[in-house]
Amino acid sequence: GAVVSQHPSWVICKSGTSVKIECRSLDFQATTMFWYRQFPKQSLMLMATSNEGSKATYEQGVEKDKFLINHASLTLSTLTVTSAHPEDSSFYICSARDGQGLQDFYGYTFGSGTRLTVV
Amino acid sequence: AQSVTQLDSQVPVFEEAPVELRCNYSSSVSVYLFWYVQYPNQGLQLLLKYLSGSTLVKGINGFEAEFNKSQTSFHLRKPSVHISDTAEYFCAVSYNQGGKLIFGQGTELSVKP
Repeated sequence: GAVVSQHPSWVICKSGTSVKIECRSLDFQATTMFWYRQFPKQSLMLMATSNEGSKATYEQGVEKDKFLINHASLTLSTLTVTSAHPEDSSFYICSARDGQGLQDFYGYTFGSGTRLTVV
Repeated sequence: AQSVTQLDSQVPVFEEAPVELRCNYSSSVSVYLFWYVQYPNQGLQLLLKYLSGSTLVKGINGFEAEFNKSQTSFHLRKPSVHISDTAEYFCAVSYNQGGKLIFGQGTELSVKP
């Protein structure tokens, strides 16, 4: 089945530094990637939608200058948390959609998530 | 507004008992419905989905769900749960093909021996 590899699985960084999270689709072309944020014991909140080769579309209330999304290829999307602060600590999850229907129809495949802790 | 409501935040149940996790969505002409399971510190795994056709959908691990358009519901059921089913379950809906998923608040299923 389709697999999305997300790295790192956890990261601790100092306040003020930037952190990059990668998501790769291993056996299909992900024309669309979704980035979610999840606080403990809460649901997934969509942060942004990115399409390969174009700018990401951010949800209301999400700072696009703080959460930089790059989707330069059909198999790789990155989320960079810039100038991270403790309130950015959260679980970040990516999801990829297969644009060519080669995987299960209308499938969304999720990465395993990244636990970010800003100290 | 487009939304998904999971009516129970926590569902405790004994092993081998049946379980139903409830999900209601805001009505629309077309809906695509999903149930996902999440284990601690992991991503989401698809249990089943409804796109069209038969309203009874069977998924992995013995789960099934029924799409009820008149009640705008998509409840998840399993006739006999195992300890290993203990996890967080999310109902999600998309209102257009390939569009973003809107998630419910999640239901924590706790299976006790």
